[in-house]
Amino acid sequence: EFVLMQSPGTLSLSPGEKATLSCRASQSVTNNYFAWYQQKPGQAPRLLIYAVSTRATGIPDRFSGSGSGTDFTLTISRLEPEDFAVYHCQFRGTFGGGTKVEIK
Amino acid sequence: EVQLVESGGGLVQPGGSLRLSCAASGFSFSSSWMTWVRQAPGKGLEWMVNINPDGSEKYYVASVKGRFTISRDNAKNSLYLQMNSLRAEDTAVYYCARHIGYEVCDIWGQGTMVTVSP
Repeated sequence: EFVLMQSPGTLSLSPGEKATLSCRASQSVTNNYFAWYQQKPGQAPRLLIYAVSTRATGIPDRFSGSGSGTDFTLTISRLEPEDFAVYHCQFRGTFGGGTKVEIK
Repeated sequence: EVQLVESGGGLVQPGGSLRLSCAASGFSFSSSWMTWVRQAPGKGLEWMVNINPDGSEKYYVASVKGRFTISRDNAKNSLYLQMNSLRAEDTAVYYCARHIGYEVCDIWGQGTMVTVSP
């Protein structure tokens, strides 16, 4: 069974700091169908990154994605107040369990 | 405005049925793959089923195959999810979403809550 493991479960940071979120696949991903979503409480997910590193329409450039094989990373270069949320990684029909980025 | 609006959620007893609807506007629904994704309370996202633009191809996750049926009416710009034999573990917020290249969902509805409880 293909599984995506996100770490850490919760990331406590202050506005202005850099956030690094990890997503590890149980098997090597052989194409670039890898994505990240942001979800705020009571809201639907919002597509941030697709094809590993391409920002979706309207996503600011402080968000970046990278990775290959089994290890993928979402980086938020400088956290803005609106960035505190849960982030989900996705490969095709599988989602990770999410990482919550909370205010320290 | 590009929009997806789900409806039809509610409280249903175990073993019961429910039909969810999703109304699309602001984009070419009839040319779009569509998806249902659910999220149990406090849990992560779970992809459930895709349907191609003309409704001839449908792909289900194993946990709902045989119980849930996706369909669409392109003339009404609407997507549906018929859910039968509901179980407590089907309790979740159900989202419809547009499914595009690279296997991602770029437009999401606000979700509709389904609670399966005696």
